Amino acid sequence: QKEVEQNSGPLSVPEGAIASLNCTYSDRVSQSFFWYRQYSGKSPELIMSIYSNGDKEDGRFTAQLNKASQYVSLLIRDSQPSDSATYLCAVSQGNAGNMLTFGGGTRLMVKP
Amino acid sequence: NAGVMQNPRHLVRRRGQEARLRCSPMKGHSHVYWYRQLPEEGLKFMVYLQKENIIDESGMPKERFSAEFPKEGPSILRIQQVVRGDSAAYFCASSAQQASGANVLTFGAGSRLTVL
Repeated sequence: QKEVEQNSGPLSVPEGAIASLNCTYSDRVSQSFFWYRQYSGKSPELIMSIYSNGDKEDGRFTAQLNKASQYVSLLIRDSQPSDSATYLCAVSQGNAGNMLTFGGGTRLMVKP
Repeated sequence: NAGVMQNPRHLVRRRGQEARLRCSPMKGHSHVYWYRQLPEEGLKFMVYLQKENIIDESGMPKERFSAEFPKEGPSILRIQQVVRGDSAAYFCASSAQQASGANVLTFGAGSRLTVL
């Protein structure tokens, strides 16, 4: 069974700090990796996608992928209170449509 | 450019009634996915459909749940004889025609089902 694991948190960081969110996955054939942000009572919205090993930066967000370790992470620099949300890691095999398997999410709290 | 449209946003049903949730994908998207989210949990895949075809229904409960995506009109997730455990947020997502690793899912606002 394909699994995606995340620490449920809450992860609490002070405003301006770096928040580090981690995710591991079990299916070695996974090809595509995504981070979604979900505010309470709202729908998931895509923040980052990453497909190859290494780092990918977009503004304050950096996604890191290590396929050998089956590990993907999201770093949020200069964390803001508005970043407080649940962050969902999602994994796709790529050859099974675009169906995503989600982790349980990590709740991030950024304290002013 | 409308996104993924879901309705109703909120639905209340009594045990034993039927619930119908509708989803219209983004313009140009031909792939529809349904996910269920229980309170304080992640999203669980239910079913993946293309027009007139169910591609993967491995996440659908064997009984009471069905889904369709007709040639014309929205995709519909149908839950018969609802029970309290069906209370959840049901999210629909859509994507464009598959290109390996390139297409992402865009989610609708969700339909929140409450079973009394």
